[in-house]
Amino acid sequence: AQSVTQLGSHVSVSEGALVLLRCNYSSSVPPYLFWYVQYPNQGLQLLLKYTSAATLVKGINGFEAEFKKSETSFHLTKPSAHMSDAAEYFCAVKTERGSTLGRLYFGRGTQLTVWP
Amino acid sequence: DGGITQSPKYLFRKEGQNVTLSCEQNLNHDAMYWYRQDPGQGLRLIYYSQIVNDFQKGDIAEGYSVSREKKESFPLTVTSAQKNPTAFYLCASSINRFNYGYTFGSGTRLTVV
Repeated sequence: AQSVTQLGSHVSVSEGALVLLRCNYSSSVPPYLFWYVQYPNQGLQLLLKYTSAATLVKGINGFEAEFKKSETSFHLTKPSAHMSDAAEYFCAVKTERGSTLGRLYFGRGTQLTVWP
Repeated sequence: DGGITQSPKYLFRKEGQNVTLSCEQNLNHDAMYWYRQDPGQGLRLIYYSQIVNDFQKGDIAEGYSVSREKKESFPLTVTSAQKNPTAFYLCASSINRFNYGYTFGSGTRLTVV
C-alpha cells in the first residue's frame, strides 16, 4: 500500500531563510513522487516530480527536492523564502501497480507561513 | 488554453437537496478524478474514471455519485445522503493512468445552509 506522511502541518520561516518541508513515503514498488502547491481557494499546481531519473529534482519558483530511497524521503527545499511562497504544500505518491494504478495518494499538507 | 473548468466556484445548498458540481476539461485526458478537501485532512478521493463510461469508487464515495458519458466531462452529484457535504471539491485529470501527474481545476466550495 502507498502512503505519504508530511511532518509538520505548519512551518514558519522568515523571508530569506531556508525552506524545508518534509515528506516520507511508503510504497511497495519504486515510487513516482510529486510536490504540489495550493494558494487559498485555488486548485493544486505541480511544483516538481520525481520519475526515477535524477534523484535531485528541480521545480518551479526555485524549489527542489531530493529523492532518498534509503530514508524513503522526498523533502522539498528552497534556499531563500519569499513572501509569495506562503501557501499550502502537498506531497503525493503515485501507484504503479494493481487495481489502483494511476492514483495519487496525498499527504495531509503543510501550511507554509513566511514572515517579513 | 487547455485546462479544467469547475463550476460554480461557490455553491450553497439546503439540507436534503442534491447538487451537481461541474467539471469539464479540454486537455483530451482519459482519466479524471474528484477529491474532497477539508482543513487538516488533505485530499481524499471520492471517485475516479480511467475511461469514458467507466468509473470507480474512491475512499469516501458514500453519498456521492458520478457519470462519465463524455471524455470531457465528469460531473459529481452530492446527494442528500452525504452527511457532511460542506467542503472544497477539486476535480483533476491526467492523460491516462500511466501518466505522471494531474492537472487540477480551481475548485468548488460547497456550503450547506
